[in-house]
Amino acid sequence: GDSVTQTEGLVTLTEGLPVMLNCTYQSTYSPFLFWYVQHLNEAPKLLLKSFTDNKRPEHQGFHATLHKSSSSFHLQKSSAQLSDSALYYCALSEGDAGAKLTFGGGTRLTVRP
Amino acid sequence: EAGVTQSPRYAVLQEGQAVSFWCDPISGHDTLYWYQQPRDQGPQLLVYFRDEAVIDNSQLPSDRFSAVRPKGTNSTLKIQSAKQGDTATYLCASSFGTIYAEQFFGPGTRLTVL
Repeated sequence: GDSVTQTEGLVTLTEGLPVMLNCTYQSTYSPFLFWYVQHLNEAPKLLLKSFTDNKRPEHQGFHATLHKSSSSFHLQKSSAQLSDSALYYCALSEGDAGAKLTFGGGTRLTVRP
Repeated sequence: EAGVTQSPRYAVLQEGQAVSFWCDPISGHDTLYWYQQPRDQGPQLLVYFRDEAVIDNSQLPSDRFSAVRPKGTNSTLKIQSAKQGDTATYLCASSFGTIYAEQFFGPGTRLTVL
């Protein structure tokens, strides 16, 4: 079945340093990949989603590239901000199967001054 | 525009008690989802509807959980005879369409079963 793996449960870094959160997946079909962000005591919100034409999605300084050869969709940002501290979830949806989202276990990012 | 609303925000039960969660999706969204999010884990889909029809309830423990969306708008998720293992946050989400559609999440109901 489908699965999403986020290898780091916790990432702590200093403001201004680059961010990279890992996401790999297993899927029977050709899935769409998403990154959701969940700030403390808030609902998850969509941050990025993969395109079908290999364009690189970007939002709020974050970007991610879908690499089908390595089944990865890592999240990156060149310079972390304090406000980036949150839970980040990678998720996939099999287009053929409709709307079902399969989430990874999440990575808690803490950015320190 | 109002987002997805859920009530109650918190619930504390003894094992064996029943509880219902209510969700009001974004107006015009035809698809509604219920997720269970155990502490420190990602959300896991329980069931989802398109309009009033159940599309996938394969992960819903049917012996104690039930979900309805009778008019294709609001939805209720019910747990009969709750167990400690049901302790989690229950998230409702909605979208317009399904393929590649962004899901908008509500604030969730945090359930603790003692």
